[in-house]
Order: sequence, then structure tokens, then C-alpha cells
Amino acid sequence: QSTLTQPASVSGSPGQSITISCSGTSSDVGGYRYVSWYQQHPGKAPKFIIYDVFNRPSGVSFRFSGSKSGNTASLTISGLQAEDEADYYCSSYTSNNTVVFGGGTKLTVL
Amino acid sequence: QVQLQESGPGLVKPSETLSLTCTVSGGSITSYYWSWIRQPPGKGLEWIGYIYYSGSTNYNPSLKGRVTMSVDTSKNQFSLKLSSVTAADTAVYYCARGQPRFDYWGQGILVTVSS
Repeated sequence: QSTLTQPASVSGSPGQSITISCSGTSSDVGGYRYVSWYQQHPGKAPKFIIYDVFNRPSGVSFRFSGSKSGNTASLTISGLQAEDEADYYCSSYTSNNTVVFGGGTKLTVL
Repeated sequence: QVQLQESGPGLVKPSETLSLTCTVSGGSITSYYWSWIRQPPGKGLEWIGYIYYSGSTNYNPSLKGRVTMSVDTSKNQFSLKLSSVTAADTAVYYCARGQPRFDYWGQGILVTVSS
């Protein structure tokens, strides 16, 4: 199965907002509300930060928000902080009852 | 707090079978889906498949029938077997709770395929 399409890298200065896109098809992102986002720091396991398109798990900063339009989901991080520098992955449920991940986006905080 | 811990050999020879176990602590394995996800060095995440506590499974079609998962509720563990491995199967393997979202993850175990 193909991966979802994410930009390879994004960057922003402290305090700014950035958005990471995640493009799929009507058989995954566009067809279901089961889009999740994960944050991964180097050498660490991914951390669950958004589920079901826009919901935040307990303990995740309100600076992280998710949305979806058609076949594209987005993660927005507002008030960028140095600790936000990490890799970010989206994932989606698919019509085959499987899960597909995006290729990952490296966020650099300038 | 739920914790997951992967265990198994860190080195597997080509054409052999990779076998890993995930031990769940701080909560019961029942009533949840449990998944395996891998990440080749320097690359992105790849979903391998899931197993429900009752034993039902679904796997990534790209792994072409090489995957088998099992669960042992008495030990609060679930396992992964990947047969006929090649160098392309070298990766950090993570176990995680959930499907299609993964809320708790193990720390990951690096498995290298090499003779």
C-alpha cells in the first residue's frame, strides 16, 4: 500500500505557527475520520498527539491542532517552541481495514 | 500507566524467521487491539498489522503472507513472526496499543538482518 504524502520538511521561528499537510485518497484520509498524528524525537518512540482528525489525547498541548478537508489532513502547531523540533507522521485507516502512514515531515525550529 | 516492552533477537540471518514478543504491563491485554509497526533506519513508519485480544488479525498486504501474529492473554503478551527475512526487513520494530490509532508504544527494538 502507498504512503500518505507529507512535505519532507517545514520550518518556522519560535512563536510562529506552521502547518503540515497529509494527502491521501478517498480510500483512506478522505473516506474516514480516523486520521492520527505522531511526534517523534530522534532515537525515541513516536508520541500520539492527535486522533480522529482533531482530537488531542490528555496531556497534549493545546498548541497542536488537526483538521481535514477532502483527501488532505493537516496538523497545525501554534506558538512554536524549540522542543517542537521533531519528525511528524500522519496515519489513516484505509478501506482494507489497514493503516497507512505518511512519509514523515522534519520540523526545524529556526 | 500502560507500558509495552519489545523483546527478541537483535540479529537474524537472511531467509530465517524474525520473532519478537511484546509484554504489556500496567493494564490488561484484553479488550484492545495490539499492533506492530516498524521503521527502517533513517526512514518512515510502516504498519505491519494488528491482533485483537481474541486472536483476530489483519496484516499489511505488502508483506505478502510472511507475517503471523499471536496473543497470549495469560502472560499479557503478543508476538510477531516475520518469515524469509532479507536486509530490507532491518528496522526498529515497535509494538503499540490500538488500531487504527496507537496511543501507547514500546521503546522499540532494532532488528538487523545479516549473515
